[in-house]
Order: sequence, then C-alpha cells, then structure tokens
Amino acid sequence: DAKTTQPPSMDCAEGRAANLPCNHSTISGNEYVYWYRQIHSQGPQYIIHGLKNNETNEMASLIITEDRKSSTLILPHATLRDTAVYYCIVSDNTDKLIFGTGTRLQVFP
Amino acid sequence: NAGVTQTPKFQVLKTGQSMTLQCAQDMNHEYMSWYRQDPGMGLRLIHYSVGAGITDQGEVPNGYNVSRSTTEDFPLRLLSAAPSQTSVYFCASRRTGGRRETQYFGPGTRLLVL
Repeated sequence: DAKTTQPPSMDCAEGRAANLPCNHSTISGNEYVYWYRQIHSQGPQYIIHGLKNNETNEMASLIITEDRKSSTLILPHATLRDTAVYYCIVSDNTDKLIFGTGTRLQVFP
Repeated sequence: NAGVTQTPKFQVLKTGQSMTLQCAQDMNHEYMSWYRQDPGMGLRLIHYSVGAGITDQGEVPNGYNVSRSTTEDFPLRLLSAAPSQTSVYFCASRRTGGRRETQYFGPGTRLLVL
C-alpha cells in the first residue's frame, strides 16, 4: 500500500479556511485518496474521498494534483468543532484503510 | 439505525485472561474491520472481513482472532490478554465497491490489561 506524509500539526483561526496537505508520491493508479478525522476520543469520521478529480461535499473540498502525488483537504470556514486529528489515507481495491499519525488541527478563536 | 455499536465501553483484564469485544452494525454492510489505537498513534488494522464467512488479517493480527458468522456481527477475541494489548479498539463497517462509500466507526472499547 502507498504511504502518506502529513505535517504533525497545524493551527487555523476560526472562520478562516484550513488547508491540510498530504503527500502520497507512490500512489498507484487504482488507489483512492481518503480523508478522515478523529475528534478527541471518538471514532474516526469520514470526510471525503477522490480518485483524480477534485471533490466537494458539505464538509470539505479535496484538491488532488494532476500527477496525483499530493492532495489538499480544505475546510472552507473552520470552526472550533473542527479541532481534530485529520488522516489522509490511500487505499487500493482490497478495502483496507491504513491510518498513519495524521495532522492535529487546532482551530483557535 | 443505531449504526455501529460496540460493547463493552471499558474493560480491565488481567494478563492471560480471555475476552471478546463485540461489534454489530445494522446497515447491512458487507465490509467490517477492527482497528486498535495506541496513545499518540494512528489506527492500525487488526482484522477485516468482506462478508459473512470471510475474514483476513490486517497490519497487526497477532494475539487476536475473529469470525464472521452473520453480516451484522464481527466479534474480536483476545485468547490470552497481554499488557501490550492495552489500547482503544474501534470497529468499523461500510459497503464494498462504489465510489462514494462511507466507513462508519463505532464509539470504541477502551481495554486495559494489567
């Protein structure tokens, strides 16, 4: 499975956009990019995923570079409740998700 | 729908004891999995199942057994607990296939092995 690299922590002011980067330079053609988050002590929560096109839903936007070697999760208007650990995961067709250590996003007032 | 449920929420075991962590989902999902999360670390896949009667090993399967006799249930068994198995355990389920499937996680079971 391809591995991902994320910064260990980031800060964001409330109301501003949070842009969380992820590198996945060894991603293979059939692997999707998934983003999950985990709010303190709770189970992970699905955010969004994509293959090669940019995606948007009610929670976030996912921007994938044309070469698919990196992506960015965008929370357009971060709130205090978005403080969490964010995981970027690449997954092939075997339906296994390998979580790394993620990025700890701290949203401050 | 209750989603993914896990029992118990907390458990303390002595070294060598056995126990079963229960996981159930009412969404008719084919795929279910177990993860463990140690302090300050991400989730690591223990075992997974793509349907009733089918299970496979994940990243850290040693010391754990699973079975999948029904679509709804996916119990995780610790045959002889060790302090290294102290962790938070999450069960998850989702549909296989499809482009926008969502994986749903349970609330977790916190296990302490003394």
